[in-house]
Amino acid sequence: DGGITQSPKYLFRKEGQNVTLSCEQNLNHDAMYWYRQDPGQGLRLIYYSQIVNDFQKGDIAEGYSVSREKKESFPLTVTSAQKNPTAFYLCASSIGGQSRQYFGAGTRLSVL
Amino acid sequence: AQSVSQHNHHVILSEAASLELGCNYSYGGTVNLFWYVQYPGQHLQLLLKYFSGDPLVKGIKGFEAEFIKSKFSFNLRKPSVQWSDTAEYFCAVNAGYGQNFVFGPGTRLSVLP
Repeated sequence: DGGITQSPKYLFRKEGQNVTLSCEQNLNHDAMYWYRQDPGQGLRLIYYSQIVNDFQKGDIAEGYSVSREKKESFPLTVTSAQKNPTAFYLCASSIGGQSRQYFGAGTRLSVL
Repeated sequence: AQSVSQHNHHVILSEAASLELGCNYSYGGTVNLFWYVQYPGQHLQLLLKYFSGDPLVKGIKGFEAEFIKSKFSFNLRKPSVQWSDTAEYFCAVNAGYGQNFVFGPGTRLSVLP
């Protein structure tokens, strides 16, 4: 779906390094989400935000942090505390908390 | 906590075969139900959704799904699959305002030409 831009497409992290994944949307959506996709496990929710300056932990928030200073932006930081960061990360947005989600193209993170 | 299960990890069909992918959820209240598809190398995109009304919903590309409340199920169907339907399919549930979306583990569909 258009309207959600994730960057970079591929990212490599060194041991002990924090890395930040970008997610920008121009759909004027209130709600934004970060998911982690691993083979055979589907999408697991890391963090979500239903409004600017507010965000909530999802099911697997440990080792991650987010901010929501602007409506259109919801960056995800993978910290050094995340011991198994290699995965495909998907950002999504929706008009409200119940509406269908629109997804970005994803960022594939690997550890060097 | 809500959970979503999908019956099959990997389904292999020949073109023109009929498809049914199972999805069951665990939540006793009102739910919104979705099927998303991820074609190789593409974004996740919505196939169809159910909020209320007719429990048989039609989506894009000839897909449909039936909500059976008594069985907590929302199975996806297509009468005749095509090679281009090869993708991963995810069932998702949202239990209302303020609740998270919960996704199933996905079913990979391979359609042989």
